[in-house]
Amino acid sequence: DTGVSQDPRHKITKRGQNVTFRCDPISEHNRLYWYRQTLGQGPEFLTYFQNEAQLEKSRLLSDRFSAERPKGSFSTLEIQRTEQGDSAMYLCASSLVPNREQYFGPGTRLTVT
Amino acid sequence: EDQVTQSPEALRLQEGESSSLNCSYTVSGLRGLFWYRQDPGKGPEFLFTLYSAGEEKEKERLKATLTKKESFLHITAPKPEDSATYLCAGGIQGAQKLVFGQGTRLTINP
Repeated sequence: DTGVSQDPRHKITKRGQNVTFRCDPISEHNRLYWYRQTLGQGPEFLTYFQNEAQLEKSRLLSDRFSAERPKGSFSTLEIQRTEQGDSAMYLCASSLVPNREQYFGPGTRLTVT
Repeated sequence: EDQVTQSPEALRLQEGESSSLNCSYTVSGLRGLFWYRQDPGKGPEFLFTLYSAGEEKEKERLKATLTKKESFLHITAPKPEDSATYLCAGGIQGAQKLVFGQGTRLTINP
């Protein structure tokens, strides 16, 4: 399977702990996106990378959130000092060219207790 | 503010009963209207992209259309396996993000 992969698929953590998620995009895609989705809502944009450069960040991405794509391949999303409101599905997507379809991974379901 | 709104929020149909889902958008400089299917606990699966008013795309029992203010996803003679949440999203001029609607949860009863 050469689609977008995400790890872990599920994460349960206690409030105040740090968590890190990984995304591996489709191999030839140089554009990578992070979204967050809560129950009954559509995905909300968090941030965008073109190669290793982080070019767009949403106001949703507070100081506790940081994303990296060190070599322009996989990406990590870290949440520090997690809060219950961070509980959501975190989705990664990739695309080959701008303004075209984005292909999503299976998501990481985060539960903060 | 860029906004995408889908209706209805939920729709139940009998197998074989055709219907349409609506997606209305107010987006500054739309750069593509995208339709996705999402099954419970999974990521969205790409279905269609429409770029110009009047454009239509078809795939099996699904057909997507686009006007200057809204898009429709028509489902013809649906089957239970078409049950899913259908999401539409707008591409924004000058940005790379997609702005999603809240989705329509479609249930097809056998």
